[in-house]
Amino acid sequence: KQEVTQIPAALSVPEGENLVLNCSFTDSAIYNLQWFRQDPGKGLTSLLLIQSSQREQTSGRLNASLDKSSGRSTLYIAASQPGDSATYLCAVNTGNQFYFGTGTSLTVIP
Amino acid sequence: GAGVSQTPSNKVTEKGKYVELRCDPISGHTALYWYRQSLGQGPEFLIYFQGTGAADDSGLPNDRFFAVRPEGSVSTLKIQRTERGDSAVYLCASSLLRGPGDTQYFGPGTRLTVL
Repeated sequence: KQEVTQIPAALSVPEGENLVLNCSFTDSAIYNLQWFRQDPGKGLTSLLLIQSSQREQTSGRLNASLDKSSGRSTLYIAASQPGDSATYLCAVNTGNQFYFGTGTSLTVIP
Repeated sequence: GAGVSQTPSNKVTEKGKYVELRCDPISGHTALYWYRQSLGQGPEFLIYFQGTGAADDSGLPNDRFFAVRPEGSVSTLKIQRTERGDSAVYLCASSLLRGPGDTQYFGPGTRLTVL
């Protein structure tokens, strides 16, 4: 069974810092990997989707990379803002199911 | 256009009761997923529909859980004889097509509390 791990579980940074969130998975046979943002009491908002054949995707201040062979993905957030405070989840698509990590809770301090 | 909607947003019930949770996917999306998210955890897959049929229900924890999507649009997740351990946020997601390039769009969830 696919296991997805996210490190760190929580992160607190001052506004303006660049930061990296990590996601690792045990089975490299994936179709794609998706990063989501979840605000308290809300559903999930898709941030970036990386196909298995891709190495990275960028959207604004966000950049996600994928190293399928080593089972790792990173989400890089540039110039963090207080509005970035949320829980960030990664999910891997194995074809039949999507497996989620437990998330990284990010707090950006003004 | 409208996103994925779920009703009710909150449901409080007593142990042993029956509950139904509803999901309205984005219009035209053929794939629909149900997940369960416990406090401090990531969403856990329950069931996936492609059209009207359940293509993968391997995530349903036991036979008290059942889901339908009779017309290929709205889906209902049904839980019989609820237990306190069923308390969680139930999330629904939809995607346009079932394929490797799909992006899932999530609803806000239904918070179920079993007393």
